[in-house]
Amino acid sequence: NAGVTQTPKFQVLKTGQSMTLQCAQDMNHNSMYWYRQDPGMGLRLIYYSASEGTTDKGEVPNGYNVSRLNKREFSLRLESAAPSQTSVYFCATKGTGLVTDTQYFGPGTRLTVL
Amino acid sequence: AQSVAQPEDQVNVAEGNPLTVKCTYSVSGNPYLFWYVQYPNRGLQFLLKYITGDNLVKGSYGFEAEFNKSQTSFHLKKPSALVSDSALYFCAVRDLPSNTGKLIFGQGTTLQVKP
Repeated sequence: NAGVTQTPKFQVLKTGQSMTLQCAQDMNHNSMYWYRQDPGMGLRLIYYSASEGTTDKGEVPNGYNVSRLNKREFSLRLESAAPSQTSVYFCATKGTGLVTDTQYFGPGTRLTVL
Repeated sequence: AQSVAQPEDQVNVAEGNPLTVKCTYSVSGNPYLFWYVQYPNRGLQFLLKYITGDNLVKGSYGFEAEFNKSQTSFHLKKPSALVSDSALYFCAVRDLPSNTGKLIFGQGTTLQVKP
């Protein structure tokens, strides 16, 4: 089992370029999340998907869009990248129920916008 | 609104000594609390959680955390630190009463264990 995988691992963009960050999970979890991590700010939620076919905004959604393609995959798109979007992006998944009420994280994508 | 605070940016401890990484929270209702660890250039790894039951929660790698309702704290502890414990530690609280499972993270505390 790979758990949660993210591609690419690293990316450098120029201002105004677009790209899609991919996330896939083989944990059969319903919920998936996108966070960004910036120094001294912890992790902030960008978007989440409680189940296949649904998505909702998190704390910092501006400049991003998401697609929950199926139960396994949840992608994050930057339509027109800005230097303020330079960050490390993490995808996470979560099962349902108290016992499985834990988020599991992917290895991250380091994005630099010049 | 739910929130979490980690009052120390960095904690330094000598190998073999006990360590404590502090976390305080503010929630309406009963808290669901979590600790995660992040090693350099890696994703976050789950350490332990408190949902209900015993106030002392045991987790991975010999870590434990003590839930204190009166002090609204959930400090992470380990009796004897290892150099390999050096990492970034995050406390988090589940965003209630929404049923989305969203987590609210603290700012993170860097633990440095010196030989």
